[in-house]
This record gives sequence, structure tokens and C-alpha cells, in this order.
Amino acid sequence: DAGITQSPRHKVTETGTPVTLRCHQTENHRYMYWYRQDPGHGLRLIHYSYGVKDTDKGEVSDGYSVSRSKTEDFLLTLESATSSQTSVYFCAISESGWSAISTDTQYFGPGTRLTVL
Amino acid sequence: GQQVMQIPQYQHVQEGEDFTTYCNSSTTLSNIQWYKQRPGGHPVFLIQLVKSGEVKKQKRLTFQFGEAKKNSSLHITATQTTDVGTYFCAGEGYQKVTFGTGTKLQVIP
Repeated sequence: DAGITQSPRHKVTETGTPVTLRCHQTENHRYMYWYRQDPGHGLRLIHYSYGVKDTDKGEVSDGYSVSRSKTEDFLLTLESATSSQTSVYFCAISESGWSAISTDTQYFGPGTRLTVL
Repeated sequence: GQQVMQIPQYQHVQEGEDFTTYCNSSTTLSNIQWYKQRPGGHPVFLIQLVKSGEVKKQKRLTFQFGEAKKNSSLHITATQTTDVGTYFCAGEGYQKVTFGTGTKLQVIP
């Protein structure tokens, strides 16, 4: 497995509280992604980063913010958690972005299960 | 917007039977990737298809990309219990990637 860790692995929090999830990689890959996975929806992209301090929105970015101050760390913040943000969150990395036509691989982290009560 | 439909949602097969999952996009794709996720695990990259009509094989797995680059399939020959999991396609359109909802495969020993 690629060197990707996510912390925490499980978290239970209350509505309205801020939550930060961390993704750490040791592969020195340029691209990092945050996805959420929900039954019936598959994986949906929240935000991604294409370099230090370079980030962009995905398809479900409302209520989430991200930061990347170092190549190895990508943080996902829920400023005020809501029950609809209960989900499993996956971080992923890749050497090049989605437009590459080479057989580049996306590596996923182990996931964080977040429950918002 | 771009939509990627994947069917079936669930499939139960007897060990040794074949299995196929289909991925259909509402728009033309530049490429498509396939992933496998074991129960309780994370998605693992299997393969990427880029060319129209492309066919790639990995042991008992055969991947196809349609001529119009709007659909793809994954076929597993003679399933084994190790094939259990959810198979996702992910299609890249114009500056956008969309994952299918996945097909959950159960293999009955």
C-alpha cells in the first residue's frame, strides 16, 4: 500500500462543532483529493489540491474547506458539522492529475468514519 | 451534468460463475478507471482505459471501453471468493471525474 494515513480513523461529534480531518502522505505526490462515500452515491469529490496552497472545489464542496501548507499534508475542515455530513471520508493521492493519459494510479487512504449526532 | 450509471447494483454468484458489471456515461469520456473496494476497505486502482474500443486483461478480469467512449464493462471469469467486494468505475469527462455508484459482488462458495 502507498504511504497514506488518515487521522482520526473514527470520530463522533455533535452538530455545530468544527471538525478537521487530516491526510498525510509519504509519496511526495503532487495531487491530493478528499472524497466522501455514502450508500447509493459512490465516491464524490469534495476538494482537491494540485500543489502546496493550490486547491479547487469538487462536486460537493459546500460546508467544507481545505488547506495544504505542505506537500505531505492535506486537511479537510467542516466548519460547523451537520448530520448530512455523516459519511466515510477518503483521501487519495496521485502523481499527476486526472487528465494524464498515462496509466497513473490513484492511491486511497484507509478512510475516516465520521458520525455527526 | 455528467452522470455515470453502473449496473447492476448488487450481484450474487455461485463460485465459478462469471460476473459482469457495466458502466454507462451520459457524456463522452476521455478515459475510464476501475477500482475494487473490499468490505471495510478502501478503493484500490485496477486499471485505466483510454482508447476507443480498448480491451485489457488482468488474469481472470477483462475490461472493455466502448467504441463511443461512453460505456465500459468489467468481466470476471470463474469468480472466486477473493473477488468479493464492490467494483467502481470512474469516468473522466471535460475537467470532471465522476464515480459510478458501484456494483457489490457476493460470491457464494
